[in-house]
Amino acid sequence: NAGVTQTPKFRVLKTGQSMTLLCAQDMNHEYMYWYRQDPGMGLRLIHYSVGEGTTAKGEVPDGYNVSRLKKQNFLLGLESAAPSQTSVYFCASSPLGRNQPQHFGDGTRLSIL
Amino acid sequence: SQQGEEDPQALSIQEGENATMNCSYKTSINNLQWYRQNSGRGLVHLILIRSNEREKHSGRLRVTLDTSKKSSSLLITASRAADTASYFCATVDNDMRFGAGTRLTVKP
Repeated sequence: NAGVTQTPKFRVLKTGQSMTLLCAQDMNHEYMYWYRQDPGMGLRLIHYSVGEGTTAKGEVPDGYNVSRLKKQNFLLGLESAAPSQTSVYFCASSPLGRNQPQHFGDGTRLSIL
Repeated sequence: SQQGEEDPQALSIQEGENATMNCSYKTSINNLQWYRQNSGRGLVHLILIRSNEREKHSGRLRVTLDTSKKSSSLLITASRAADTASYFCATVDNDMRFGAGTRLTVKP
């Protein structure tokens, strides 16, 4: 039982490049989330999804897009990477509402040069 | 924006001692959750306490909640080196918001 799997684990990009981070969960959870974690700050919600085919903005959505074409997958896209997007990105899922415990992947460490 | 703020930012203790971490918040909540994060890993849910509860236990963990003071504490008893990690509180109203965490080091 893998839980929440994120790929890739590490990536270095140049400013202006685009990329997609993949999150997959095998727990049949309805809700999925993308967060970023920066030093000295708590996790900040980028986007989330309450079910297949749905997406919604979180606290810091600018510069990111998401898609949830399949229930088990949640993709995070950076259209034109900027140094300010250097961060560790975490995907999470929960079976029910946004106020319930969340299961996290181990993160993607992204550096934008 | 952060809702919960953990205190202290860092804590270093000897194995066998108790560790207490505090979380303060500003607005009303539905529940409050504590998570652990080992270095290089994702967050792991530890315990959830609802706004109408005052105390919960889970193994060596004890969580208290004082809604009148808008604060919560996490107590880890008889700490072990394996408890070394960062601990985050997450306050939940319509959204879940995480604090910046307490870095706990347990020395063997």
